[in-house]
Amino acid sequence: RKEVEQDPGPFNVPEGATVAFNCTYSNSASQSFFWYRQDCRKEPKLLMSVYSSGNEDGRFTAQLNRASQYISLLIRDSKLSDSATYLCVVNLMDSSYKLIFGSGTRLLVRP
Amino acid sequence: DGGITQSPKYLFRKEGQNVTLSCEQNLNHDAMYWYRQDPGQGLRLIYYSQIVNDFQKGDIAEGYSVSREKKESFPLTVTSAQKNPTAFYLCASCTRDTSGNTIYFGEGSWLTVV
Repeated sequence: RKEVEQDPGPFNVPEGATVAFNCTYSNSASQSFFWYRQDCRKEPKLLMSVYSSGNEDGRFTAQLNRASQYISLLIRDSKLSDSATYLCVVNLMDSSYKLIFGSGTRLLVRP
Repeated sequence: DGGITQSPKYLFRKEGQNVTLSCEQNLNHDAMYWYRQDPGQGLRLIYYSQIVNDFQKGDIAEGYSVSREKKESFPLTVTSAQKNPTAFYLCASCTRDTSGNTIYFGEGSWLTVV
């Protein structure tokens, strides 16, 4: 089983739609969680950190469920510019301090 | 400005040659990482380092080597033993603490074997 798993998609949605991605992780030592956005042929860029209480930034909402070991990203009112790959990242805070990436979920927003 | 710098951005290598990718950061980060990304796939961890003079293998370390002689530098050598070296390589760094750690990425290096 992969340490971090994401549905690769693609999720093909019309502008204005609401779309949600999930990411599951297997290591309970995972302590920090992030969503990154990656555009084609570019480095990933931080979209938002994920906190236990859940957090919102404009049209984006991130949630963490430690009991079920998954994090989610909700995008409301999708824009064409949201088309990208969304990477889930978990940070083990044990002695290894590894950053583990999911393989990414592709989102395509169509007019 | 603080940041992380990777070079070169594009690199061509002949089969059988070693090549070294540079990664430098002036963020005073303890932890540094090298990832490889193949077309349509996610990031896979090659090597990572938590402190100077220490590093650990990631999931796909075979055919690669690293060094961490200075805190700000974490070069990656792609050796001739790496069977499929053509890929996008990303270097990253982050602080080794619990307060809002943010991962910084270099712009990436495109390596093509010809």
